[in-house]
Amino acid sequence: AQSVTQLGSHVSVSEGALVLLRCNYSSSVPPYLFWYVQYPNQGLQLLLKYTTGATLVKGINGFEAEFKKSETSFHLTKPSAHMSDAAEYFCAVSPGAGNMLTFGGGTRLMVKP
Amino acid sequence: ETGVTQSPTHLIKTRGQQVTLRCSSQSGHNTVSWYQQALGQGPQFIFQYYREEENGRGNFPPRFSGLQFPNYSSELNVNALELDDSALYLCASSLEAWGGSTEAFFGQGTRLTVV
Repeated sequence: AQSVTQLGSHVSVSEGALVLLRCNYSSSVPPYLFWYVQYPNQGLQLLLKYTTGATLVKGINGFEAEFKKSETSFHLTKPSAHMSDAAEYFCAVSPGAGNMLTFGGGTRLMVKP
Repeated sequence: ETGVTQSPTHLIKTRGQQVTLRCSSQSGHNTVSWYQQALGQGPQFIFQYYREEENGRGNFPPRFSGLQFPNYSSELNVNALELDDSALYLCASSLEAWGGSTEAFFGQGTRLTVV
């Protein structure tokens, strides 16, 4: 069984500040981990993914995440927030590279001017 | 390369009715997954189809059923609609191939409202 916990349903940062969105997972098999972004009334867009190999993963729009097996975490970061980053972010885990995803509850990121 | 398209975009149904939602996979993809996203929550996996066969199912009752066609497009059918079925329904397609699968691409979703 797999599960994902995202700490903080709402996160507010100032423009230019560090963004940190937290994700912890549980998985009975080596996990594939993902971060998706969802803008209002839209589907999900993949930000980045971890499958195997390097534990620091770089994605689109300046986001990156680090897989820490010992902490069962996959936190998402961005050094400097932009107003356009305001959206809902979902962490997900799957037994395969993109199928049967288990999502966390989401974190709404708000960016203040 | 075309993306994943879903129809309709919005739908209003009455409790007890039946509904069919449609999804066209991204070109070359042979696997389709469906997700239900209730307001303010993360998507929940309903089921997955690979080459016209269901090959994975989440914790949803049998009144949620699906089909995948030879061109890999898909339908989600929900019978005996309940108020709690109101949600955004997302379709995702991917390529399942020997050696593993590729990432899933999501459609824009169908917003279903049950009244």
